[in-house]
Amino acid sequence: EDKVVQSPLSLVVHEGDTVTLNCSYEVTNFRSLLWYKQEKKAPTFLFMLTSSGIEKKSGRLSSILDKKELSSILNITATQTGDSAIYLCAGNSGGSNYKLTFGKGTLLTVNP
Amino acid sequence: GAVVSQHPSWVICKSGTSVKIECRSLDFQATTMFWYRQFPKQSLMLMATSNEGSKATYEQGVEKDKFLINHASLTLSTLTVTSAHPEDSSFYICSARGPYEQYFGPGTRLTVT
Repeated sequence: EDKVVQSPLSLVVHEGDTVTLNCSYEVTNFRSLLWYKQEKKAPTFLFMLTSSGIEKKSGRLSSILDKKELSSILNITATQTGDSAIYLCAGNSGGSNYKLTFGKGTLLTVNP
Repeated sequence: GAVVSQHPSWVICKSGTSVKIECRSLDFQATTMFWYRQFPKQSLMLMATSNEGSKATYEQGVEKDKFLINHASLTLSTLTVTSAHPEDSSFYICSARGPYEQYFGPGTRLTVT
C-alpha cells in the first residue's frame, strides 16, 4: 500500500522565520511528488517534482526531491502570516493505476 | 490555470436522504476525475477514481453502493451519497486530471443531521 509521511505534523513560528517541511514516500510506480497548500477550502498547487536534486522555486517557497532517500522538503523563507495553512505532500503513482496518495499534512502557523 | 467547480459548496441534509455533488472541469476535458473525503484536521483520503464512460474504481473500504459515482461526460462527474448518515458528514473534494497535474475543486461541505 502506498504511503506518504509528513513531518512535523504542526509547527508554530514567528514572522520572518524560515521553515522546512519534510515528506517521505513509498509509492508504487512513482512518477512525481506534489506539494499543495490548503487554507480553508481545497488544496492549491505549489510544486510538482519529478527529477532528483533539482530545486523548484516560487518566490519565498522552494522544494527539492531526493529519489534516493525517497523524500522531499519544502522550504519557506521569511515567513508571513499569510503562509499559515496546511501543507500537503502527495506521491503520484503513474501508469494504469494513476493516483495521488496524500500525507497527513503539516499545519503551519505563523504568528506576527 | 485549469478550473474545476463543485456544486453545491455546502449542503445540510437529514439522515436517510441522498445528496448529489457535481464536479465540473470548466476549461478542459478530464477523462479521469477523483473524489476525496477530508475529515477535520485530517488529510485527503481518496475515495474513488472516476473514468469517463466506465465504472468508477473504489478504494478499499469505500462502499460503492453508498457512494455512487457517475462520470457521464468529459467535463462532469457526480458523487451521490445515498442514505446519508451523520458519520458521512465531511468535506468532499473532487479533482480532475489535467495535462500536467490534478486540479482540485473548491470542495463541498456535507452535514447530515
